[in-house]
Amino acid sequence: DQQVKQNSPSLSVQEGRISILNCDYTNSMFDYFLWYKKYPAEGPTFLISISSFKDKNEDGRFTVFLNKSAKHLSLHIVPSQPGDSAVYFCAASARGSNYQLIWGAGTKLIIKP
Amino acid sequence: DGGITQSPKYLFRKEGQNVTLSCEQNLNHDAMYWYRQDPGQGLRLIYYSQIVNDFQKGDIAEGYSVSREKKESFPLTVTSAQKNPTAFYLCASSIDPGNNRYEQYFGPGTRLTVT
Repeated sequence: DQQVKQNSPSLSVQEGRISILNCDYTNSMFDYFLWYKKYPAEGPTFLISISSFKDKNEDGRFTVFLNKSAKHLSLHIVPSQPGDSAVYFCAASARGSNYQLIWGAGTKLIIKP
Repeated sequence: DGGITQSPKYLFRKEGQNVTLSCEQNLNHDAMYWYRQDPGQGLRLIYYSQIVNDFQKGDIAEGYSVSREKKESFPLTVTSAQKNPTAFYLCASSIDPGNNRYEQYFGPGTRLTVT
């Protein structure tokens, strides 16, 4: 049973526009959420996180929104740049889980010139 | 520079042979993790260790073994019992999550091919 779902395997966005990546989760015990970016044949790089106490966290061009009632979070990238082309993973953690991260399958973002 | 190193980047082995993947960190992180990534899938946890001389199985530990004799090092052995060992293996570490810091930091990965 997938507890963290990224339903879009890929997303294509024009350079300069907004990219919105979505993530849904089923476990109501999750209280911390993270987004990672991954290039081929490299390790993931931490981008931004959000605690369940918040509904929004912003860092430069990246903003994460959390809707707890819908068990949904999204990552907004504005404006999208060619270097943003990568696979984006959503991950979640729950207190009492030994701080393990549960990962989504990833969404491949392609920024078109 | 602080970071996580994994070696080698690419590794080729014959079926039936055990192979050990190296992971070293100089970030002074307490916790270390091993993941496996297969095409089109998220990261799956193999083993993790929160402290020296202690480690726990993750979701897919069968056919793998680890040791944590030093804080800096967490080698992973892929044994001949692992049915589908060809994959991209990622090592990660994190600060003691008791400080409400869940972020994990990753090494560059090792691509293992078994034929």
